[in-house]
Amino acid sequence: GESVGLHLPTLSVQEGDNSIINCAYSNSASDYFIWYKQESGKGPQFIIDIRSNMDKRQGQRVTVLLNKTVKHLSLQIAATQPGDSAVYFCAENTEGAQKLVFGQGTRLTINP
Amino acid sequence: NAGVTQTPKFQVLKTGQSMTLQCAQDMNHEYMSWYRQDPGMGLRLIHYSVGAGITDQGEVPNGYNVSRSTTEDFPLRLLSAAPSQTSVYFCASSYSGGAYTFGSGTRLTVV
Repeated sequence: GESVGLHLPTLSVQEGDNSIINCAYSNSASDYFIWYKQESGKGPQFIIDIRSNMDKRQGQRVTVLLNKTVKHLSLQIAATQPGDSAVYFCAENTEGAQKLVFGQGTRLTINP
Repeated sequence: NAGVTQTPKFQVLKTGQSMTLQCAQDMNHEYMSWYRQDPGMGLRLIHYSVGAGITDQGEVPNGYNVSRSTTEDFPLRLLSAAPSQTSVYFCASSYSGGAYTFGSGTRLTVV
């Protein structure tokens, strides 16, 4: 069945350090992946996405890596800032599936 | 451009009451979805729609109804509220089924 999970429920990093959030997915037919950031009391906010024909995609301070061989997705945040503290979700979609499946989420805490 | 608007933001219901959670988007998105978010459970898909007049069930549809009479609106109805439906509900929309834009949520408590 479809499932998206995360390796770690919590992650604490020092301000200025880089952070890596991991995600495993089980549906080999998934071809589109998204990372969302959710701050307390708010809805999920799009960060970055990647299609299955790519291995890596970079945004502003964020990079998403996709390893289709082991069905693994990661989000790298460079030079973390206090504003990066949030829960991060990965989500997957399959062409034609018209719906997103979310993982459980990882809470990222930035220590001063 | 307001994006995805959900109302109300907070609601308390008694067991057995019915209500409708409203969701509207002004981005002309064809795809719309409803999710619920419980602590430690992530977001679970309730119902979704790929266009006006077309709806389908997600992972947890029981106890909820939807309809899509217009492109802009996608209301979620609770016919007989139960304490198990206490949750935060998010509506989301997408142009093509890719990256969804989320509303700010409705926090529902059923007592």
